[in-house]
Amino acid sequence: DAKTTQPPSMDCAEGRAANLPCNHSTISGNEYVYWYRQIHSQGPQYIIHGLKNNETNEMASLIITEDRKSSTLILPHATLRDTAVYYCIVSRMDSSYKLIFGSGTRLLVRP
Amino acid sequence: EPEVTQTPSHQVTQMGQEVILRCVPISNHLYFYWYRQILGQKVEFLVSFYNNEISEKSEIFDDQFSVERPDGSNFTLKIRSTKLEDSAMYFCASSDNSPSTDTQYFGPGTRLTVL
Repeated sequence: DAKTTQPPSMDCAEGRAANLPCNHSTISGNEYVYWYRQIHSQGPQYIIHGLKNNETNEMASLIITEDRKSSTLILPHATLRDTAVYYCIVSRMDSSYKLIFGSGTRLLVRP
Repeated sequence: EPEVTQTPSHQVTQMGQEVILRCVPISNHLYFYWYRQILGQKVEFLVSFYNNEISEKSEIFDDQFSVERPDGSNFTLKIRSTKLEDSAMYFCASSDNSPSTDTQYFGPGTRLTVL
């Protein structure tokens, strides 16, 4: 079973920030938080990952709480193309790790 | 930007037939994976592969399934005798397992329809 909890759906207005929460209260010290998204039935697309520090890349920012029990993915200026299912996954970064997908959050970006 | 490719995009087969799904991972990656997603359900891990061996497999990956890296570029998933319940999207992924940068990158998927 997935080790994360996410709201099933969210929406936001185009151009506004989308803040997607994730709870991972049983995360281990050697586990990273990964975010992927899936648009329609396309292959999951990597967004960002982090261990304990906040991370930012060209797609998004990841804010991880100090106790590492929850995180928030931030899409700073959501566009219609960001409408997708977003998955928060915790996984060890070692050889042959597998990703266990939950149900994710279905984000709808409204015009 | 390098990407994982998969062929065919859609495969239709009759129950009991063998199918081979093909993947070309990102060229410098060393770890390879197959996942599947039945329509409307979660993405499920099937198998991971490294150094020409299976590293881990799920309960789904039974004797009907096999994987192979037949040459330096391709990674295949074979289903020997397809069942109706094998109908799904099959995603290949690869990673380089570099510390701190390791990420699995997924292909676009093959939609398998078993009739």
